[in-house]
Amino acid sequence: GQSLEQPSEVTAVEGAIVQINCTYQTSGFYGLSWYQQHDGGAPTFLSYNALDGLEETGRFSSFLSRSDSYGYLLLQELQMKDSASYFCAVRDPPNTDKLIFGTGTRLQVFP
Amino acid sequence: DAGVIQSPRHEVTEMGQEVTLRCKPISGHNSLFWYRQTMMRGLELLIYFNNNVPIDDSGMPEDRFSAKMPNASFSTLKIQPSEPRDSAVYFCASSGLADTQYFGPGTRLTVL
Repeated sequence: GQSLEQPSEVTAVEGAIVQINCTYQTSGFYGLSWYQQHDGGAPTFLSYNALDGLEETGRFSSFLSRSDSYGYLLLQELQMKDSASYFCAVRDPPNTDKLIFGTGTRLQVFP
Repeated sequence: DAGVIQSPRHEVTEMGQEVTLRCKPISGHNSLFWYRQTMMRGLELLIYFNNNVPIDDSGMPEDRFSAKMPNASFSTLKIQPSEPRDSAVYFCASSGLADTQYFGPGTRLTVL
């Protein structure tokens, strides 16, 4: 089976940098995804890493180390609107369309 | 594109009543997913379809839950009879690529 671990909560101030970690255990690995969910909203796709290294998209970056079964989401120049829950997710082989989500990290950004 | 459309957005019903949630996926997407989210259990996959065929329903909690996808543009999730413990936000998501799922706005269900 698949399992993912991420911290339950992270706090930071506006303008800071925060890193949200995710470790996973999978029977087969096809990549690590990140989703953002604001309170009362729906999860929205942020990024996907299939290969080792850093993927940058604006203020957000995502990193993957397959050998360590570890990844992280890096948020720079934090803004109040970044306050949300962030979920990492992996595919669940052999049903490769199915994603298994972590329990989510709640990020609170303070002024 | 309008994105994934769900209806109703809010549903309040009494225990024992039948509840039907509806979803219209993004046009061209071939996979559709039903999720349930609660504070206690997080985001749980209930069932997913590929090309209108149910592939994995292992997350469906019990026989009171059923889902159908009669065509590529419509799916329903039915709960009959509903119970207070079914209160949750139910999301529908669709995908054209395995690692990018697009979620609808959700249906907030309250069973009294």
